[in-house]
Amino acid sequence: EAGVAQSPRYKIIEKRQSVAFWCNPISGHATLYWYQQILGQGPKLLIQFQNNGVVDDSQLPKDRFSAERLKGVDSTLKIQPAKLEDSAVYLCASSLDRAGNEQFFGPGTRLTVL
Amino acid sequence: AQSVTQPDIHITVSEGASLELRCNYSYGATPYLFWYVQSPGQGLQLLLKYFSGDTLVQGIKGFEAEFKRSQSSFNLRKPSVHWSDAAEYFCAVGARDMRFGAGTRLTVKP
Repeated sequence: EAGVAQSPRYKIIEKRQSVAFWCNPISGHATLYWYQQILGQGPKLLIQFQNNGVVDDSQLPKDRFSAERLKGVDSTLKIQPAKLEDSAVYLCASSLDRAGNEQFFGPGTRLTVL
Repeated sequence: AQSVTQPDIHITVSEGASLELRCNYSYGATPYLFWYVQSPGQGLQLLLKYFSGDTLVQGIKGFEAEFKRSQSSFNLRKPSVHWSDAAEYFCAVGARDMRFGAGTRLTVKP
């Protein structure tokens, strides 16, 4: 069974530029999550999708971050414009549903904002 | 609001020694509790989880954890640590809205 795929693995940009991350969850997983993991901290949930609908984006900085999950499969997370404090690893995870099932994590995208 | 505290930022143990990583949680109802491990440059891998039932949970790689409601704790244990166990360990709580602790970095001495 293929795992959660993410790309790119690494990205370096300058502040005020835009960046987008892509995630392909495990086939059949209805729930998709995006987390931000700043160095030395645990992952922080940014947004959660159930199929193609957003169920929780309370911690997403909506002035600069956006995410979509068209057709309920792949998802993209965008930052526009980026700030220095956005430097982090962005993790995508998926699960069968929201009811406490195991979340499977991708390898993450390491973003450096200069 | 739900939260997780991992009191130890960094722990060093000798190979073959026993290990206990602490986790305390705050949750309004019966918690869903998880332990994940993260090796450098890797995503998180689930070690074990507790939803209900037996409070001693067995996981992969020889790990176990015990849920103690009275202490709001879910500590991770392993009787004999291997060098390959060196990694970052995260405790998490929640079902639909998971919250992670800050992590404990484990170093294993030869």
